[in-house]
Amino acid sequence: KQEVTQIPAALSVPEGENLVLNCSFTDSAIYNLQWFRQDPGKGLTSLLLIQSSQREQTSGRLNASLDKSSGRSTLYIAASQPGDSATYLCAVLYNNNDMRFGAGTRLTVKP
Amino acid sequence: EAGVTQFPSHSVIEKGQTVTLRCDPISGHDNLYWYRRVMGKEIKFLLHFVKESKQDESGMPNNRFLAERTGGTYSTLKVQPAELEDSGVYFCASSQVRTHAYFGPGTRLTVL
Repeated sequence: KQEVTQIPAALSVPEGENLVLNCSFTDSAIYNLQWFRQDPGKGLTSLLLIQSSQREQTSGRLNASLDKSSGRSTLYIAASQPGDSATYLCAVLYNNNDMRFGAGTRLTVKP
Repeated sequence: EAGVTQFPSHSVIEKGQTVTLRCDPISGHDNLYWYRRVMGKEIKFLLHFVKESKQDESGMPNNRFLAERTGGTYSTLKVQPAELEDSGVYFCASSQVRTHAYFGPGTRLTVL
């Protein structure tokens, strides 16, 4: 069964802190992994995509890593800001073209 | 290039009525996915089209849900009859083979 798990479910940090969000998947036959953010009442915004052959991707203050052998990905957010408050979702695209989401981590960055 | 579009953006219906959601993928994208997020819960996979064929519909909750993809272009998701627990946000995504998935803005469905 292709399950994707995200820990923690919710996270609250003061502004300026660095933080890590975790995503794990049970089936290692993945093609790529995407991190998204969802703002309340809004759609999904793609943040980073990591191909299965890659170890990490960076965009601004965001860094996503992938360890396919252990079934884990992390999203690192540096110097967090209140505008980073949102729900962060990871989605795994498997080799059979099926895509599954984790339940998300709800992040609150307090000013 | 236009992104994935969904129509309507919001729909409010009464229990027992029928609603049809539409998704227009990015032109040329063979893969089309439907997901939904019920209030307070995770995003759940519904089904996956490759062109006009259903590759995986294991996530469809019951036979009140019917998805079609005419000619491998746009897709519709019909809920008939709608129940209270169907309320949520329905997302559509499209992709070329094994590339970025692009998501539509979602349709917020409220069943009263």
